[in-house]
Amino acid sequence: EVQLVQSGAEVKKPGESLKISCKGSGYSFTSYWIGWVRQMPGKGLEWMGIIYPGDSDTRYSPSFQGQVTISADKSISTAYLQWSSLKASDTAMYYCARKVEAVAGIDYWGQGTLVTVSS
Amino acid sequence: NFMLTQPHSVSESPGKTVTISCTRSSGSIASNYVQWYQQRPGSAPTTVIYEDNQRPSGVPDRFSGSIDSSSNSASLTISGLKTEDEADYYCQSYDSSTNWVFGGGTKLTVL
Repeated sequence: EVQLVQSGAEVKKPGESLKISCKGSGYSFTSYWIGWVRQMPGKGLEWMGIIYPGDSDTRYSPSFQGQVTISADKSISTAYLQWSSLKASDTAMYYCARKVEAVAGIDYWGQGTLVTVSS
Repeated sequence: NFMLTQPHSVSESPGKTVTISCTRSSGSIASNYVQWYQQRPGSAPTTVIYEDNQRPSGVPDRFSGSIDSSSNSASLTISGLKTEDEADYYCQSYDSSTNWVFGGGTKLTVL
């Protein structure tokens, strides 16, 4: 069974750093792109970026380029999303999702990680 | 780059049929597949339609998808509405520069 299991909720202060994770299982982790999607409170889905764990090829949405870093450790089948200096506006739910290459869509989603940034 | 526009909300009674539209702003709707995701309150999204009109296993055949080149739009139709169908629905397609493009989402109320 394919699963994407994300790390737990985080509460941080502005200016702090953070790295959240997404562990894949039940499939060849290095053969599928993993993307990150932001959902701000009460809002829609926004694509942030995507990584191919096989060779760490990474693409970013222009809206998020320079704001976050996406990485992966294929030895433990885990993708990461990190911030070096959080802002209150980073408060959101973050989902990882597996890309289906043939349709350029998503077949599996993680359960989401809620990040709250507040002083 | 293009945008996908959905109605903010739709509502219908149990047992009826509802259709949610997703209009592409530029370029052909047929040039990239459209997917539809269901997001129930407090839950992660799940895929209900992929490749314009295909249902993943486990999704009831009450859910169907289509595209219409004349209106440059995709549609999600849910027949025999159930209260459990009440959720937000998002369409998604692909752009070579921005990767996943999502519609703004439609809140379906089954009253």
